[in-house]
Amino acid sequence: EAGVTQFPSHSVIEKGQTVTLRCDPISGHDNLYWYRRVMGKEIKFLLHFVKESKQDESGMPNNRFLAERTGGTYSTLKVQPAELEDSGVYFCASGLGGGTDTQYFGPGTRLTVL
Amino acid sequence: GQNIDQPTEMTATEGAIVQINCTYQTSGFNGLFWYQQHAGEAPTFLSYNVLDGLEEKGRFSSFLSRSKGYSYLLLKELQMKDSASYLCAVRDDNAGNMLTFGGGTRLMVKP
Repeated sequence: EAGVTQFPSHSVIEKGQTVTLRCDPISGHDNLYWYRRVMGKEIKFLLHFVKESKQDESGMPNNRFLAERTGGTYSTLKVQPAELEDSGVYFCASGLGGGTDTQYFGPGTRLTVL
Repeated sequence: GQNIDQPTEMTATEGAIVQINCTYQTSGFNGLFWYQQHAGEAPTFLSYNVLDGLEEKGRFSSFLSRSKGYSYLLLKELQMKDSASYLCAVRDDNAGNMLTFGGGTRLMVKP
């Protein structure tokens, strides 16, 4: 069974540009999460989808970040316009939900904003 | 808010046993997870504890004491491939399904 995949693995853009990150969850997982790790800090939650609905977006830093999950399958996270402090590794995770709700992580997208 | 603390780095010898501690403060504890992460790769799920006690999975065990806000991950018969970061994460009933992570413990296994 394929795990969570993310594209691209790396992205280098200039300040002010737009970047879109994609996450494909494990097939059948209704729950999809975005997290971010900036340099030297811990992994932090951004938002949570259940199918196509945003369940919790309390971790989104500001309105330059837009996440979508049309159709309840893959998700995209767009940063527009990107700022220097957006640099970091963006992780996606998926899970079945329920009691344990183990979250399975993708390898992340390393974003560098110059 | 939540506060999760774990040591930044640890070093151990191949074949030995190492214990990685994690302390947390949370208002609505609903589970603690340990993940292993090799550099540049996805965090990989290791264990889940929600009740007090020890959960054993092969060479890895995880312990939880809810009253003390404390967990540890025990790695036995260390192998070189165990060199990685180990992440402690807590789920809080008052914060939905999101996980709150500690900073991770970078473990170096030496021959």
